Amino acid sequence: NAGVTQTPKFQVLKTGQSMTLQCAQDMNHEYMSWYRQDPGMGLRLIHYSVGAGITDQGEVPNGYNVSRSTTEDFPLRLLSAAPSQTSVYFCASSHRTMNTEAFFGQGTRLTVV
Amino acid sequence: AQKITQTQPGMFVQEKEAVTLDCTYDTSDPSYGLFWYKQPSSGEMIFLIYQGSYDQQNATEGRYSLNFQKARKSANLVISASQLGDSAMYFCAMRELIQGAQKLVFGQGTRLTINP
Repeated sequence: NAGVTQTPKFQVLKTGQSMTLQCAQDMNHEYMSWYRQDPGMGLRLIHYSVGAGITDQGEVPNGYNVSRSTTEDFPLRLLSAAPSQTSVYFCASSHRTMNTEAFFGQGTRLTVV
Repeated sequence: AQKITQTQPGMFVQEKEAVTLDCTYDTSDPSYGLFWYKQPSSGEMIFLIYQGSYDQQNATEGRYSLNFQKARKSANLVISASQLGDSAMYFCAMRELIQGAQKLVFGQGTRLTINP
């Protein structure tokens, strides 16, 4: 079972460059989300989606865009990378009610220089 | 204000001892859920245990149990008979309804080190 597939695993960007982090799940989960993890701050919610065509902002959305054209895919776009976006990014998916675990991708370690 | 508070940045425990990782939370949602995740040095997030706010009994999963004290808004993770492989970061998280949508909020984490 693939679960949540997140790519790439590592990425180095120059300031001002754009890129898309890919996330796909094969569990037919309605709910998908993106988090960033910084030292000492746990995981913070960037954007989330409760179904295809529906997205909303989380705690730290600035500098990021998302879209949800299918149930399976939830890409995260960095429009113009900044050093402050250096972080580890996690994609997660779960049932809409979140009464069971959220499944996480392997994470993407992004460095912006 | 912090919704999830983990007051122990780091803990050191001898192998085979039991360990309790603290987690307190704050919410006005009557139907919330509490999760614990483990993050080893390899970086992946591993689900350990879940407790719903209406669950009458404390959740258990193998060596993991959740000491849920609703009145005190506390959801401590207890690991019995600790093993070297338990060394990792541990995150407490809460699911709550915010502005019409379920969201998962994480604490800052506790780094657990098991000494042989």
